[in-house]
Amino acid sequence: GAVVSQHPSWVICKSGTSVKIECRSLDFQATTMFWYRQFPKQSLMLMATSNEGSKATYEQGVEKDKFLINHASLTLSTLTVTSAHPEDSSFYICRPPGLASTDTQYFGPGTRLTVL
Amino acid sequence: QKEVEQNSGPLSVPEGAIASLNCTYSDRGSQSFFWYRQYSGKSPELIMFIYSNGDKEDGRFTAQLNKASQYVSLLIRDSQPSDSATYLCAVNRGSNYKLTFGKGTLLTVNP
Repeated sequence: GAVVSQHPSWVICKSGTSVKIECRSLDFQATTMFWYRQFPKQSLMLMATSNEGSKATYEQGVEKDKFLINHASLTLSTLTVTSAHPEDSSFYICRPPGLASTDTQYFGPGTRLTVL
Repeated sequence: QKEVEQNSGPLSVPEGAIASLNCTYSDRGSQSFFWYRQYSGKSPELIMFIYSNGDKEDGRFTAQLNKASQYVSLLIRDSQPSDSATYLCAVNRGSNYKLTFGKGTLLTVNP
């Protein structure tokens, strides 16, 4: 299956700072990447879809100016949480789309963000 | 109506028993159905996927799909304590569509 890495695996920051999370595809080229957020004891919620060479597509209710998503290359997608606040503390996970004929619906290992 | 519904549990079974996890979905256009296992603090890991009506077996796991009833289930035979986790059901309309997740069912397997 597709291998995806995320960095950092966890981060603690002060309120008001910005945090960048990287998602790298290690053994394939990804023109698209899905970004999810999961609050404790909640399910995964799709935040946005990054697209290489074009703007990200955001889900309804997700603030575009707060969650900056960039698909810099075919192997790198980033999520930047700007001016983070405690309510942004969550588990952020990226996932590449599955290939057309396979079952590969694998997630990255996730990034735990804690905003103090 | 929620798009993907699961009993939140917790579901508790003794070691060696069969654990049965259920999921219903509302989108009749759904084509692909996935079961993920998520340990606390970890990312979900794919256990099974199913596309066609009927049963699909993989080791101790069996996924069952009934598109007419919009129902998908996961059976875990010979449950082990290491199976204790939250099980997430997810559906989509195809590989290029977003996955929609249920809230998950917490399974506890007691030694």
